[in-house]
Amino acid sequence: DTGVSQDPRHKITKRGQNVTFRCDPISEHNRLYWYRQTLGQGPEFLTYFQNEAQLEKSRLLSDRFSAERPKGSFSTLEIQRTEQGDSAMYLCASSFLQGAIDTQYFGPGTRLTVL
Amino acid sequence: QQQVKQSPQSLIVQKGGIPIINCAYENTAFDYFPWYQQFPGKGPALLIAIRPDVSEKKEGRFTISFNKSAKQFSLHIMDSQPGDSATYFCAASGGAGANSKLTFGKGITLSVRP
Repeated sequence: DTGVSQDPRHKITKRGQNVTFRCDPISEHNRLYWYRQTLGQGPEFLTYFQNEAQLEKSRLLSDRFSAERPKGSFSTLEIQRTEQGDSAMYLCASSFLQGAIDTQYFGPGTRLTVL
Repeated sequence: QQQVKQSPQSLIVQKGGIPIINCAYENTAFDYFPWYQQFPGKGPALLIAIRPDVSEKKEGRFTISFNKSAKQFSLHIMDSQPGDSATYFCAASGGAGANSKLTFGKGITLSVRP
């Protein structure tokens, strides 16, 4: 399977704990995006990388959230001191920038439940 | 302020029918408009996308119609099947430059009855 992969698929944690998610993009895709999706809503943009550079962060990304893409390949999203409001599906997407087209392909997501 | 609005909120059609899902946007800087399909517990899957230089694009049973002056676009699913039952999201972005992040609508739930 050469699609976007995410790990873990499900995470249950207690409020106040730290969690880390991993995303492996499609091979050779130079852009990687993180989105968050709550029940009954469309995905909302969090942040994105071009190669290893983090180019944009949403206002949704509070100080408790940090994302990295150290070698321009996989990426991690860490949430510190989780809150119940962090419960959501965290989606990763990757793309290969080609001219004016930036087609994003999504992974299966990580479902986070904060108790 | 919701920049991308979808209608209707839900849709039920019979097998073989042609569901039409509408989307309206506000930001005139948007110039890339994809549609995604999502099944429960899965990530969104790209169906078809269009840019404003064309008014219609067809791929298989899926067609996008685009009206730049009205800032609206719609998805038509020909010969719908029960397997098309899913949530459909329209999205928009400023293209491949600095504004490539996708802004999504809230999604509509489509049910295709056998």
